[in-house]
Amino acid sequence: EAGVVQSPRYKIIEKKQPVAFWCNPISGHNTLYWYLQNLGQGPELLIRYENEEAVDDSQLPKDRFSAERLKGVDSTLKIQPAELGDSAVYLCASSHGTDTQYFGPGTRLTVL
Amino acid sequence: AQRVTQPEKLLSVFKGAPVELKCNYSYSGSPELFWYVQYSRQRLQLLLRHISRESIKGFTADLNKGETSFHLKKPFAQEEDSAMYYCALSGQGGGNKLTFGTGTQLKVEL
Repeated sequence: EAGVVQSPRYKIIEKKQPVAFWCNPISGHNTLYWYLQNLGQGPELLIRYENEEAVDDSQLPKDRFSAERLKGVDSTLKIQPAELGDSAVYLCASSHGTDTQYFGPGTRLTVL
Repeated sequence: AQRVTQPEKLLSVFKGAPVELKCNYSYSGSPELFWYVQYSRQRLQLLLRHISRESIKGFTADLNKGETSFHLKKPFAQEEDSAMYYCALSGQGGGNKLTFGTGTQLKVEL
């Protein structure tokens, strides 16, 4: 089993540019999470999906961040425009309901 | 609000020595506690959860509600235990939302 797949693994952009991250969860996992991990910190939840519905997006900065999971499988997280402070690792995780969360390798974003 | 505190950023022990990674939490209800581990160049993965009450790779953790702690212990550290360890909490009705601590880097020296 491939596990949670994320792409790209690394992304370097200039500030004010848009950026998008993609996540493919483990097959059959209906719950999908996006986490933000700043350097020296633990992951922080940005948004949680149950199937295609965003059931918890309270921590998502909606002025510049957006996410979608149109068919209840893959998900995309977008930042537009990116700021210097957005440099971090963006983690995707999936689970079957509220069972164990399995994490992807993350996307390391650097904003110059 | 729920919070997880891991007071040590780095813990260095010799091979064969006991290990204790500290974790304290703040939560008003009945939480579920987890330890996640990230080995070098690998993804974050679940090590153990308190409801399972099992030992994984020789590690155990007991939930102490009186002290609001969930310390991770291993009697004899091995070189392959070197990794980043995160304590995490999931609250009731939180829909499996995990709140993580800042992590402790465990270094096992020969």
